[in-house]
Amino acid sequence: QSVLTQPPSASGTPGQRVTISCSGSSSNIGINTVNWYQQLPGTAPKLLIYSHDQRPSGVPDRFSGSKSGTSASLAISGLQSEDEADYYCAAWDDSLNGLVFGGGTKLTVL
Amino acid sequence: EAQLVESGGALVKPGGSLRLSCAASGFTFSSHSMTWVRQAPGKGLEWVSSIGVSTTYIYYADSVKGRFAISRDNAKNSLFLQMHSLRAEDTAVYYCVRSGCSSCQLRQNWFDPWGQGTLVTVSS
Repeated sequence: QSVLTQPPSASGTPGQRVTISCSGSSSNIGINTVNWYQQLPGTAPKLLIYSHDQRPSGVPDRFSGSKSGTSASLAISGLQSEDEADYYCAAWDDSLNGLVFGGGTKLTVL
Repeated sequence: EAQLVESGGALVKPGGSLRLSCAASGFTFSSHSMTWVRQAPGKGLEWVSSIGVSTTYIYYADSVKGRFAISRDNAKNSLFLQMHSLRAEDTAVYYCVRSGCSSCQLRQNWFDPWGQGTLVTVSS
């Protein structure tokens, strides 16, 4: 059972908007930065969103992040087939004194 | 461009030891905290251990505390993970990752880039 809770799966058709939630607590998301990672099949994870809502250079603006209280969300608009991947949220947890990941969400583009 | 290359993964028997290495290039290694993250086959990501720019700050996941030791050699731009008393549940791809912000604490930081990973298999 992961400290950060994500839905195990999500899906959408090309062009649609999809959101993935990440639920935490006051010891992690509530007080620390939330980051999102994308893992394409057979590859290493890649930073997608950092500090709740910042996009690294090279990440399309179709990807956006937000945080409210102890939860965070990743939104993908204009869904494309190449977005099919696993998505993970992560945050430092002050109570555990360590980093915690969500269990991951497998996104399928129908 | 920042690059991380892991090595040292192997097949090892339960109870055995292994040392992973990560060679860093393309950035000032001594200015960034570093982390090991692992992923068991078909499973999600699991944080293993982090080390600050010096060795003052070191953190371990409960699952590896007392068995694994993280270290770094800033002169050689290298990160290490010494693993002892290995168990079947330690079987995973181990990724070396850099903290993206050199001036931020770990709790306000992120991981970028990631290495390609090295596979550790613990089996008799």
